[in-house]
Amino acid sequence: GQNIDQPTEMTATEGAIVQINCTYQTSGFNGLFWYQQHAGEAPTFLSYNVLDGLEEKGRFSSFLSRSKGYSYLLLKELQMKDSASYLCAALDSNYQLIWGAGTKLIIKP
Amino acid sequence: ETGVTQTPRHLVMGMTNKKSLKCEQHLGHNAMYWYKQSAKKPLELMFVYNFKEQTENNSVPSRFSPECPNSSHLFLHLHTLQPEDSALYLCASSQGREGGNEQFFGPGTRLTVL
Repeated sequence: GQNIDQPTEMTATEGAIVQINCTYQTSGFNGLFWYQQHAGEAPTFLSYNVLDGLEEKGRFSSFLSRSKGYSYLLLKELQMKDSASYLCAALDSNYQLIWGAGTKLIIKP
Repeated sequence: ETGVTQTPRHLVMGMTNKKSLKCEQHLGHNAMYWYKQSAKKPLELMFVYNFKEQTENNSVPSRFSPECPNSSHLFLHLHTLQPEDSALYLCASSQGREGGNEQFFGPGTRLTVL
């Protein structure tokens, strides 16, 4: 079956760095997405990786290893507004997104 | 206009009611999606429309009935729902279904079935 695993909850300190891991098992693979969802709001797109390696976008970076079925989202210089759920989703061979349950990130002052 | 809008934002209905959820996208996208989001569970894809044609129905009970009259509008008709159908219903759109086409989400309809 198809599956996405990510931690349920993480806590970090304002100004620090946090890494949110995601492992995936899908029928075929056409890329991996990260979305951010604040409580009571819609998910918003953060990143898309289809090739191995690190993609940097400001304070956020996303890494992919296709051979390991593994990705992570790295958040630097954490701000209170980064408190949110982070959703990992893999695109399978039918171009259907398989979603993880999300990682709730709590930022403490 | 924001990219993807949904109405109503909140809905409370009895199990015998009939209601409809509406989604509209102002992005010129070709694909539209309905998702169900329950607490602490992954997003569940319900229906996909590509160029107004339904391309996927992920074993959704017939009490949920989608309608896509044009590429900008998507409806979800609800009838004889069950309490376990209470959830956040999200609409999304994307330029296409392939590759790195990100999905843009609406704010969702919070549905409570009594």
